[in-house]
This record gives sequence, C-alpha cells and structure tokens, in this order.
Amino acid sequence: EAGVTQSPTHLIKTRGQQVTLRCSPISGHTSVYWYQQALGLGLQFLLWYDEGEERNRGNFPPRFSGRQFPNYSSELNVNALELEDSALYLCASSLTIAGGPGDTQYFGPGTRLTVL
Amino acid sequence: GENVEQHPSTLSVQEGDSAVIKCTYSDSASNYFPWYKQELGKRPQLIIDIRSNVGEKKDQRIAVTLNKTAKHFSLHITETQPEDSAVYFCAANSGGTGGYNKLIFGAGTRLAVHP
Repeated sequence: EAGVTQSPTHLIKTRGQQVTLRCSPISGHTSVYWYQQALGLGLQFLLWYDEGEERNRGNFPPRFSGRQFPNYSSELNVNALELEDSALYLCASSLTIAGGPGDTQYFGPGTRLTVL
Repeated sequence: GENVEQHPSTLSVQEGDSAVIKCTYSDSASNYFPWYKQELGKRPQLIIDIRSNVGEKKDQRIAVTLNKTAKHFSLHITETQPEDSAVYFCAANSGGTGGYNKLIFGAGTRLAVHP
C-alpha cells in the first residue's frame, strides 16, 4: 500500500510569490493535515481537512490556505511569500476524525520550500 | 492556547543505557498522545502512542507512560542502540468544535546514542 505522497520535493521561490503544494493521502484516509517544520524546529499545525471541509486551522495568517478535493487529495497555498515561510511542509493523513483507534497520522516526505 | 513542553532538548547516552524523554501538555481534553521519531532528512515516523484510558504501553524496547492528573507523559527507551539516534517528538491531540484531531507537538529531543 502506498504511503502519503507530496509534490514537489523541493521548491525555490522569491518573496511575494505564490506557491501551491500537493498531497495525496493513504488510500481510504479521509483526513489530511498540514504542518510546517522550520529548520531545526518542531512541527507547527497549519490546517486540517476532512471530507472536503476545513475542520481546524493553526495560528497562521490568512495567506496560508488550502482545500481538499473529492478524492481526498489536498493542496496548500501560500500567497505573498515571506522569508520566514522557508520550511519543510509536511502533510499527514488519517482514517477517521473521531479520535478513535483509526486516527493515527501518517506523514508524507514533505516539500522543502526555500524563499529567497 | 494549547501547548506541549518537551524535555530535554538534547540527550546523549551510551549504547545499552536507557533514555527518558518527558512531556507535559496543557489541554485537559487531550486524550491521544503519539510519539514520532524523525531521522535526518526523513519524515516523522510513529513509534508508539497511548490513549487516556491506559496508563502505560510497551512495545519491545519502547514504553510510554501517561499521568492524566499531572498532564505528563514520558517515553522510555531501554537498551539503546546507535540506530535509535534521531529527533523524537511528543504530541497531544487538541481541537475544537470541528473535532479533536490536530496534533500539538513538543519542540523535540535530539537523542545521540554513542557506541
């Protein structure tokens, strides 16, 4: 069974540009989560989608947005890029939303974004 | 807001020794506590998790304990091996009306196991 996949692997942008990151969850998983991991730091929760709806968002400005498609894949969009947006963006997926035995989050390999 | 504190930030042990990493959380409604291992340049991998209806869980050399009253949970690795060297993250679930599935992560512990 394929794991969580993300594209692209690496991305270099300049300040003010916009970027779109993509994530495909494990087959059968309906929840997708986005986390930001700045260099040498922990994971910061960005967004959570389930069944096409945004369930929760972290303390990030509105220029971070996303969506989930009917096939449960997801996009993360970042507008007006700033230098501090340089980070590893990790996507995770899980089976349920209810906090039950199926809600383990499995991570993708991440997209390394560099903003110059 | 919700917060997870993790200590120590770095831990150096000799091969065969035990390693303990401790976390505290702030959201009293948290009921799911996973631990992830992240090797350099790789994705976080779940190594063990515990739910609030149990106090301890063990999987071979790894064990996790949970004290809900004190809002503490800990990771114990026995008989450490060089391949245990990595950054370990604890996390607690949190959320709101949309559900309680977002994970709040600790800052991580860099474990180095020396042969």
